Amino acid sequence: EAGVAQSPRYKIIEKRQSVAFWCNPISGHATLYWYQQILGQGPKLLIQFQNNGVVDDSQLPKDRFSAERLKGVDSTLKIQPAKLEDSAVYLCASSLGGIQETQYFGPGTRLLVL
Amino acid sequence: GEDVEQSLFLSVREGDSSVINCTYTDSSSTYLYWYKQEPGAGLQLLTYIFSNMDMKQDQRLTVLLNKKDKHLSLRIADTQTGDSAIYFCAEYKDSNYQLIWGAGTKLIIKP
Repeated sequence: EAGVAQSPRYKIIEKRQSVAFWCNPISGHATLYWYQQILGQGPKLLIQFQNNGVVDDSQLPKDRFSAERLKGVDSTLKIQPAKLEDSAVYLCASSLGGIQETQYFGPGTRLLVL
Repeated sequence: GEDVEQSLFLSVREGDSSVINCTYTDSSSTYLYWYKQEPGAGLQLLTYIFSNMDMKQDQRLTVLLNKKDKHLSLRIADTQTGDSAIYFCAEYKDSNYQLIWGAGTKLIIKP
């Protein structure tokens, strides 16, 4: 079974530029999560989708971050404009269905904002 | 408080047992997880324990849960160099349907 796919793996941009990340969850997984992991910290949930609907986006900085999962499968996370403090690893995870289901993670996208 | 707490580092000799500790916040959490993160990689689920269990064993891994003290531990028997990684503890909070993560414990293996 293929795992969670993410691209790109690395991205370097200058502050105030825009960037987008892509995630393809495990086939059949209804729930998709985006996390931000700053160096030396645990993951912080940004947004959670159940199929194509948003379950929780309370920690998403909505003035600059947006995410969508239009067809209930792939998802994109966008940052516009980026700030220096957005430098982090952005992790996508998916789970089978219910909110308590175990989450499986992709390799992450490492973002450096200069 | 709201934090899941772990020691930042643990150093053990190859072949010894490693014990990574975690204290969590919510005595009603139904699931507690251990994830492993190797350099440049995503988070790999190692094991989890349901809150009505005290212990779970899976090959070299043993998870102990003390609900009274809200303490979770992960024991790795016969630690190998391939076990070098950061280990994250996470609790599932029923109140807001989220995983709350510790900051991770970096396991360092000495030859």
